[in-house]
Amino acid sequence: GESVGLHLPTLSVQEGDNSIINCAYSNSASDYFIWYKQESGKGPQFIIDIRSNMDKRQGQRVTVLLNKTVKHLSLQIAATQPGDSAVYFCAERSGAQKLVFGQGTRLTINP
Amino acid sequence: DAGITQSPRHKVTETGTPVTLRCHQTENHRYMYWYRQDPGHGLRLIHYSYGVKDTDKGEVSDGYSVSRSKTEDFLLTLESATSSQTSVYFCRTGSQNTEAFFGQGTRLTVV
Repeated sequence: GESVGLHLPTLSVQEGDNSIINCAYSNSASDYFIWYKQESGKGPQFIIDIRSNMDKRQGQRVTVLLNKTVKHLSLQIAATQPGDSAVYFCAERSGAQKLVFGQGTRLTINP
Repeated sequence: DAGITQSPRHKVTETGTPVTLRCHQTENHRYMYWYRQDPGHGLRLIHYSYGVKDTDKGEVSDGYSVSRSKTEDFLLTLESATSSQTSVYFCRTGSQNTEAFFGQGTRLTVV
């Protein structure tokens, strides 16, 4: 599959461990944030979202934390599995349906 | 994939030829977007639509045009393809306050 980024930050974790992927966003007025997962050769897949009036949201094995004070977003994946290996990137909505995407982090799960 | 279909999935074309990519959605989302994804650049917005016949430029619109004659279809046209337009193209749909979903992508190679 095609590469989504030649020099992406990388994170390697052992299968079964928890992983945390971080994202700094740029616009303090952004009101909505999304985390995507992109596997090689596929389109970005929605994982979880959070609105700016929240600081934490949980899904199945994933948690997103939002710190508006420092404009920081994180994605926590619990009990990682081999299928979690992918590029993860965040997006912020900074104006009427305009999403700004981060470059992404490549997560590798080691057996 | 939230009812988003891109066609073709792969295309090889010669420099100077016109190319049209199609994005079809079945969710009746008002907003539709075209992005290109290149190593080192992430997702960059080409054009977007906020309704039938309503379109606007994104950050990398030069050399591209779009049309939206009905809600479900958003077409991206390269009037005269150049090698710099070799990329992976993604369509996205969205509605106010809902998650944004991507298609599976079209890999375009201009030789």
